[in-house]
Amino acid sequence: DTGVSQNPRHKITKRGQNVTFRCDPISEHNRLYWYRQTLGQGPEFLTYFQNEAQLEKSRLLSDRFSAERPKGSFSTLEIQRTEQGDSAMYLCASSHIADPSYEQYFGPGTRLTVT
Amino acid sequence: AQRVTQPEKLLSVFKGAPVELKCNYSYSGSPELFWYVQYSRQRLQLLLRHISRESIKGFTADLNKGETSFHLKKPFAQEEDSAMYYCALSDAGNMLTFGGGTRLMVKP
Repeated sequence: DTGVSQNPRHKITKRGQNVTFRCDPISEHNRLYWYRQTLGQGPEFLTYFQNEAQLEKSRLLSDRFSAERPKGSFSTLEIQRTEQGDSAMYLCASSHIADPSYEQYFGPGTRLTVT
Repeated sequence: AQRVTQPEKLLSVFKGAPVELKCNYSYSGSPELFWYVQYSRQRLQLLLRHISRESIKGFTADLNKGETSFHLKKPFAQEEDSAMYYCALSDAGNMLTFGGGTRLMVKP
C-alpha cells in the first residue's frame, strides 16, 4: 500500500498522559498536514510542513501539542498532558507542491480517546 | 478568515432522484474549492475540484463566485453514493478549510 499510513489506528489514554502519533506520507510528497476531526464536524487544520519546515500552525494547536518532521519524511504529533477535549480523530494528509491540482491524500486517521 | 458552510447535516433521497449538496464559502481572494467524500470505513478522498471542471461518478459542481457557492449535483442518485461529503476550500494549495459535512443517504 503506497498511500498515507498512520500509527496507531486507535489510542486510549488516561487524562494527563502524553501520546504520540506517527504519519508516513506518500513517498516523495513534500507537504504533510495534520487535521483534527471531532464527532459530527469536518476536519480542522492543525499544522503543516513543507519538507522539514513547519510552515503554519493553527490557533487550535495549543502549547501542549507539538509536531515534527525531522527528515522531511515521516511526521509525529505529540500531545502532552492530554485532556478529555483532545478526544478526536487525528488525520494526516500529504501532497506534492508541484501538483497543480493541490490534491491532499489522507491517511486512515488515529482515533484518540482520553478517559 | 475563510469559512465553509454546509447547511444540511443529512440529505436523504431515493435511488434515481436528483441530488444537490449545498456548500457556501467566505473568502476574500480566489479560492480553490473541492469536494471530498468518505465512504463507510474508508479514508477521506478527493471527489472533484473546481479548477478541473470535471464530472466524477456523475457528480458535478460549479463555482458561483457571485453567490459564493459550490454546490455538488448529480442528476440520478445511486445507492453507492451514500457517504459523507465535505466541501473544502484551499488558499493556493495550502491548508484545507472544511465544512461540517453532509451525510447523503440514498434509499432503494
